[in-house]
Amino acid sequence: GAVVSQHPSRVICKSGTSVKIECRSLDFQATTMFWYRQFPKQSLMLMATSNEGSKATYEQGVEKDKFLINHASLTLSTLTVTSAHPEDSSFYICSAVVGQLNGYTFGSGTRLTVV
Amino acid sequence: GIQVEQSPPDLILQEGANSTLRCNFSDSVNNLQWFHQNPWGQLINLFYIPSGTKQNGRLSATTVATERYSLLYISSSQTTDSGVYFCAVNYKLSFGAGTTVTVRA
Repeated sequence: GAVVSQHPSRVICKSGTSVKIECRSLDFQATTMFWYRQFPKQSLMLMATSNEGSKATYEQGVEKDKFLINHASLTLSTLTVTSAHPEDSSFYICSAVVGQLNGYTFGSGTRLTVV
Repeated sequence: GIQVEQSPPDLILQEGANSTLRCNFSDSVNNLQWFHQNPWGQLINLFYIPSGTKQNGRLSATTVATERYSLLYISSSQTTDSGVYFCAVNYKLSFGAGTTVTVRA
């Protein structure tokens, strides 16, 4: 089946540094990927929609300059958290639509801790 | 935007028990999905069910689109069913708050 590989699974970084999270579609082409953020014991909140070859579409309240999304190929989308602060600590998850509307597949998530 | 409400927020089951999870949504939808998030955070797609009824093993789901709700049934629950169950609607997946299910042996 369709697989999205997300790396790293866990990262700890210092305040002020940047962290890049990658999501790769392994056996299909993902023209669109979604990036979500999940706080502990809460639901997933959509941050942005990543479209191959064009600029990402950000949800209201999400800082574009802080959360940089690049979708340069049909198999790779990246989320870079720039100048990270402790409040950016969270679980970040990507997903892709596979084929028909009913085929959503998710990466395994990245737990970011900013110290 | 559309509101998605799930109930109950928490559910504790004895192994072998049956349960029903509910998802209400505030507007008509063109997509409704049920997902299971395991304790390690991985989300698995359970059902694509904008209307009608589907079954997959011990799980089944029913969506009554005209009344804006969906139900997920878990029968003969097992400890591996533990985790958080989310419903999500529309293309960009607006998620409900989830139901945390704990199945005890």
